[in-house]
Amino acid sequence: QSALTQPPSASGSPGQSVTISCTGTSSDVGNYHYVSWYQQHPGKAPKLMIYEVSKRPSGVPDRFSGSKSGNTASLTVSGLQAEDEADYYCSSSAVSNNLIFGGGTKLTVL
Amino acid sequence: QVQLQESGPGLVKPSQTLSLTCTASGGSISSGGYYWSWIRQHPGKGLEWIGYIYYSGDTFYNPSLKSRATISVDTSKNQFSLRLISVNAADTAVYYCASMLWSWYFDLWGRGTLVTVSS
Repeated sequence: QSALTQPPSASGSPGQSVTISCTGTSSDVGNYHYVSWYQQHPGKAPKLMIYEVSKRPSGVPDRFSGSKSGNTASLTVSGLQAEDEADYYCSSSAVSNNLIFGGGTKLTVL
Repeated sequence: QVQLQESGPGLVKPSQTLSLTCTASGGSISSGGYYWSWIRQHPGKGLEWIGYIYYSGDTFYNPSLKSRATISVDTSKNQFSLRLISVNAADTAVYYCASMLWSWYFDLWGRGTLVTVSS
């Protein structure tokens, strides 16, 4: 099964909003409500930011939000801050009890 | 708060077996509700799910690695392990252990350990 498709890069100025897309197929994103998003700073382990499409774990700022439409999920970061600069990965459950990740998006805060 | 820590050799020769262990502290892996997982990240690349094990011993693997990967659990030591046979340079990666919930998200990750496959 192929990786989910994410844009390689995204950027925004402090205070702005940026949205990162994650496109799959009807065999994964389009058919399951189990999409997650992870933030990864250089040299660090990924950190859960969003689960089950739009739920935020305790401690994650409400500037981070998730949504899904059809085969595409999205992560929106509002009120960009310098510390949001990182790589972001989406993941989705898929047919046959599989899990696939996106290729990752490097978010730059200008 | 449970913490996870990977351990194992940082260098493995081609065609040999990669073996890693993840030790949980601050909680029991037998408590149920979590699927103890392995994920890897090739240098400068994205994430790849390898598989998971439940404390009961039930396992499930990424189809692309199923023929080479084995995940086992030792509840007496609060550990779970990964074996990957017949490795080659393409298996060079940072390997993470993580806890996964039923709805396929990873809430807790180890720090990761780099494994290099080279002669």
